[in-house]
Amino acid sequence: EVQLLESGGGLLQPGESLRLSCAASGFAFSSYGMTWVRQAPGKGLEWVSGINENGGATYYADSVKGRFTISRDNSKNTLYLQMNSLRAEDTAVYYCVKSMVGLLRGYFDDWGQGTQVTVSS
Amino acid sequence: QSALTQPASVSGSPGQSITISCTGTSSDVGGYNYVSWYQQHPGKAPKLMIYGVSNRPSGVSNRFSGSKSGNTASLTISGLQAEDEADYYCSSYTSSTTLIFGGGTKLTVL
Repeated sequence: EVQLLESGGGLLQPGESLRLSCAASGFAFSSYGMTWVRQAPGKGLEWVSGINENGGATYYADSVKGRFTISRDNSKNTLYLQMNSLRAEDTAVYYCVKSMVGLLRGYFDDWGQGTQVTVSS
Repeated sequence: QSALTQPASVSGSPGQSITISCTGTSSDVGGYNYVSWYQQHPGKAPKLMIYGVSNRPSGVSNRFSGSKSGNTASLTISGLQAEDEADYYCSSYTSSTTLIFGGGTKLTVL
């Protein structure tokens, strides 16, 4: 059974930094592209960033480009999202998502339970 | 880039069919066959219902079907059931090498 367990969320002030982690199990982690998707309170889904199987290709939404960095450690079956210069509009539940095939096709067949990030002064 | 356009809400009675539209541009929905649909119940993570415009993942009911015409993709749910009441989101690959979601549609089963 695929399991994606996010951690690292919390309450921060604007301008601070945070690193989210996603521990993966139940599948060959190094064979799949991975993605972060977020959902602000009462709002819709927003694609944040994606990374291919070996970490050699990364992609970002314009809203986070230059502030967030996605990475992975295939030896630890773990996905990361380094979030810098946080803003109030980054407040959301962040989901770790596995791509069924490809990376940017949006075939997200497994989702974590999400971790809450709140940015407020 | 703005979200794909979905109706805010749709409703139907049990047994009926409903269709949710997802409108984009030739740079996303119209340009690629990489449209997916997700179902999200309150407080839960989204679930993949349709991928590649019209393909159903294993385990998804055949009451769910997808299609596309031009810049608009559609999700049709036939034989509506109470458990189908949820939020639905479309997504598409874009020419900017990103992914974009629709704004979401709340389905109410009357």
